Amino acid sequence: AQTVTQSQPEMSVQEAETVTLSCTYDTSENNYYLFWYKQPPSRQMILVIRQEAYKQQNATENRFSVNFQKAAKSFSLKISDSQLGDTAMYFCAFRTNAGKSTFGDGTTLTVKP
Amino acid sequence: GAVVSQHPSWVICKSGTSVKIECRSLDFQATTMFWYRQFPKQSLMLMATSNEGSKATYEQGVEKDKFLINHASLTLSTLTVTSAHPEDSSFYICSATKGFTYEQYFGPGTRLTVT
Repeated sequence: AQTVTQSQPEMSVQEAETVTLSCTYDTSENNYYLFWYKQPPSRQMILVIRQEAYKQQNATENRFSVNFQKAAKSFSLKISDSQLGDTAMYFCAFRTNAGKSTFGDGTTLTVKP
Repeated sequence: GAVVSQHPSWVICKSGTSVKIECRSLDFQATTMFWYRQFPKQSLMLMATSNEGSKATYEQGVEKDKFLINHASLTLSTLTVTSAHPEDSSFYICSATKGFTYEQYFGPGTRLTVT
């Protein structure tokens, strides 16, 4: 069975600064996908970024980037130039080709003005 | 785009009654739909996976007779909470995938309150 661990229940960052959210996972699969989702107060799940395990290059989406370390089974999210709208709960998720996703417990991020 | 809707967004029902939640993929055909339950400030807990035209696969510990899932078409799945009790109060989220891609598209969720 797959497990996803987010060791930081809560984090805060000053507006315009950079913050990194941690995620580790455990699996015996070789082909899988990793995701970071954002859940703002509206509770709508929003995909932030995704990474295919077979790709060595770290994914980047504007201010969001990941540090994917496959051997270490680590998948951290870096948010640069943090904005007030980034305040949300962030979930790391793992998915195999079989289709089911496993989510971490989440990190509540607060961006302070 | 890939938009998933849920209806209703918020429902209040009395203990002992049943309530149905709809999940629709608006602009694509969903090969698979997932139903999650989420308590405040907690993670998403997968309840079941449904494929069009076949019986849903429930996760361990989820009562299939209490949480009835019907995936009657490629764009609609329903979750019926039967004989609801206050402990069933929660936020229910559906998601859908199209084809055999890995990406999930989430609905906005339904808040169920059982009084």
